[in-house]
Amino acid sequence: EDQVTQSPEALRLQEGESSSLNCSYTVSGLRGLFWYRQDPGKGPEFLFTLYSAGEEKEKERLKATLTKKESFLHITAPKPEDSATYLCAVQDSGGSNYKLTFGKGTLLTVNP
Amino acid sequence: DAGVIQSPRHEVTEMGQEVTLRCKPISGHNSLFWYRQTMMRGLELLIYFNNNVPIDDSGMPEDRFSAKMPNASFSTLKIQPSEPRDSAVYFCASSPEGWGGSYTFGSGTRLTVV
Repeated sequence: EDQVTQSPEALRLQEGESSSLNCSYTVSGLRGLFWYRQDPGKGPEFLFTLYSAGEEKEKERLKATLTKKESFLHITAPKPEDSATYLCAVQDSGGSNYKLTFGKGTLLTVNP
Repeated sequence: DAGVIQSPRHEVTEMGQEVTLRCKPISGHNSLFWYRQTMMRGLELLIYFNNNVPIDDSGMPEDRFSAKMPNASFSTLKIQPSEPRDSAVYFCASSPEGWGGSYTFGSGTRLTVV
């Protein structure tokens, strides 16, 4: 069974203080690893897809990286508007290759 | 495009009552998913439709839950009878393909069963 563990559960940063969120995963064969952002009262919003170890994707102050066992979401010089819950999900390459298995998320708070 | 539209946004009902949640996917998306989110368990897939056909309903908790997709632009998730443990946020998501693509989620329905 696919498993996704995110850490920390919550992270509080000062504006401009860079940090990283971790996503550890167990999957029989990885088809893709996804990062989503979720704001309070809203549905998750897609950020990135990573397909193979060594791949990196960037969007504004966010950079996602992937190894064979984990992914990191690096946040450089965050701003208060980056405050949200960040969700990691995996999609396996087996019979259920349509399914996203999500972690419970990291709640990021950026203080001005 | 208005995105994935869910209704109602909030639903409060008494235990034992029937609840129906509704979803309109993005036009042209042929895959539709119903997810449930709780603090304890996070986001869990309930059911997956492809081209209006249910493909995987293994996540549906029990027979009290049922889902339909009568056409490409509408889906429902019904709980009958509802129980307090069904309280959660229910999300509908759609995708132009069943795999390898990013999903677009609706804003969810927050269900409270008292």
